[in-house]
Amino acid sequence: DAKTTQPTSMDCAEGRAANLPCNHSTISGNEYVYWYRQIHSQGPQYIIHGLKNNETNEMASLIITEDRKSSTLILPHATLRDTAVYYCIVPNRDDKIIFGKGTRLHILP
Amino acid sequence: KAGVTQTPRYLIKTRGQQVTLSCSPISGHRSVSWYQQTPGQGLQFLFEYFSETQRNKGNFPGRFSGRQFSNSRSEMNVSTLELGDSALYLCASSPLGYGYTFGSGTRLTVV
Repeated sequence: DAKTTQPTSMDCAEGRAANLPCNHSTISGNEYVYWYRQIHSQGPQYIIHGLKNNETNEMASLIITEDRKSSTLILPHATLRDTAVYYCIVPNRDDKIIFGKGTRLHILP
Repeated sequence: KAGVTQTPRYLIKTRGQQVTLSCSPISGHRSVSWYQQTPGQGLQFLFEYFSETQRNKGNFPGRFSGRQFSNSRSEMNVSTLELGDSALYLCASSPLGYGYTFGSGTRLTVV
């Protein structure tokens, strides 16, 4: 089973920041948090991952709480092309990546 | 560099037949995982291969099998196809077993 919980869906206005929350209350000290997204009919795309420090790359920022029980993926300036299902994942002990239901993000024009 | 390549992109098979899907990982990646995606069940883990050995296995019947070759290319086979096997089958590769890069998938339709 997936070790994360996410809202089923979210809306965000184009040009605004999209903040996608994820709860992973059972995360262990050495487990990473990964974010992927899947645009309709394509394979999932890796976005970012982190352990305890906040991370930023060209796609997004990842904010992890100090207790590591939750995180937020931030898309700073959402565009229509960011409409997708976003998955927050904590791999199992054997590095198996199990996908939950994810958050369906709708970017509104 | 080239991404993960899955062939064929689309496939139509009849119930009872068997099918083999192919996945070529990114050069240098030794881990290959397979997933099945259906509208009702979402993305479900099938199995993972690392250096030609099956390292992890999901909860699928024995009709679903796979293998990995010495060049890291992988195949998955489904025997005695059922209508419910219609799905998008995704392959992902990784250099170390995490941080996967996914292919575009093979869409299998069983009629």
